[in-house]
Amino acid sequence: DAGVIQSPRHEVTEMGQEVTLRCKPISGHDYLFWYRQTMMRGLELLIYFNNNVPIDDSGMPEDRFSAKMPNASFSTLKIQPSEPRDSAVYFCASSSQTSGGGYGGELFFGEGSRLTVL
Amino acid sequence: GESVGLHLPTLSVQEGDNSIINCAYSNSASDYFIWYKQESGKGPQFIIDIRSNMDKRQGQRVTVLLNKTVKHLSLQIAATQPGDSAVYFCAEIMNRDDKIIFGKGTRLHILP
Repeated sequence: DAGVIQSPRHEVTEMGQEVTLRCKPISGHDYLFWYRQTMMRGLELLIYFNNNVPIDDSGMPEDRFSAKMPNASFSTLKIQPSEPRDSAVYFCASSSQTSGGGYGGELFFGEGSRLTVL
Repeated sequence: GESVGLHLPTLSVQEGDNSIINCAYSNSASDYFIWYKQESGKGPQFIIDIRSNMDKRQGQRVTVLLNKTVKHLSLQIAATQPGDSAVYFCAEIMNRDDKIIFGKGTRLHILP
């Protein structure tokens, strides 16, 4: 398996532009997570999906951020309009649920998308 | 509230020595704890995990200790190698909501 695939790896954009980050989870994984990483705040959970359904989006900073998972093999994180304070590395991760319910623990992360908003 | 934190932002260790990375958590309802390693330019990678009903778990060159009384987690790396240079994160999970909360991270620097 190729692992979690994210694109683009790097994006530089101007304030006010729309940014779309993409993620392909590992086949068969039923959890998908979007994290944001900055030096100041570390790894922050933005939103996660279970079986393509958003379960908790309480970490999404504001209405400018939205995430979708139209099918089991694809998710997007969109920022519109983007602002300089959105500059960060955005990680997508996937995992599979253990038998007996509950989360298995091992998240498989992608390489991240480094976003710079000028 | 929910929070996971680390005592030291940077730890420097001589190659060959043992490393101990510490983590404090505040949520006594957390069921499950994990250590991740993040190398430069990459996403975090799973190292080892431990459930709240355990005190200790060993892997290859790594040991995780959990002290629920003082809400403290540690990662011990034996015979530290240059390849161990990375940022290490602890994370906690409450199974009731599957939410994984990461700490700020500790950078491990290996001295030659």
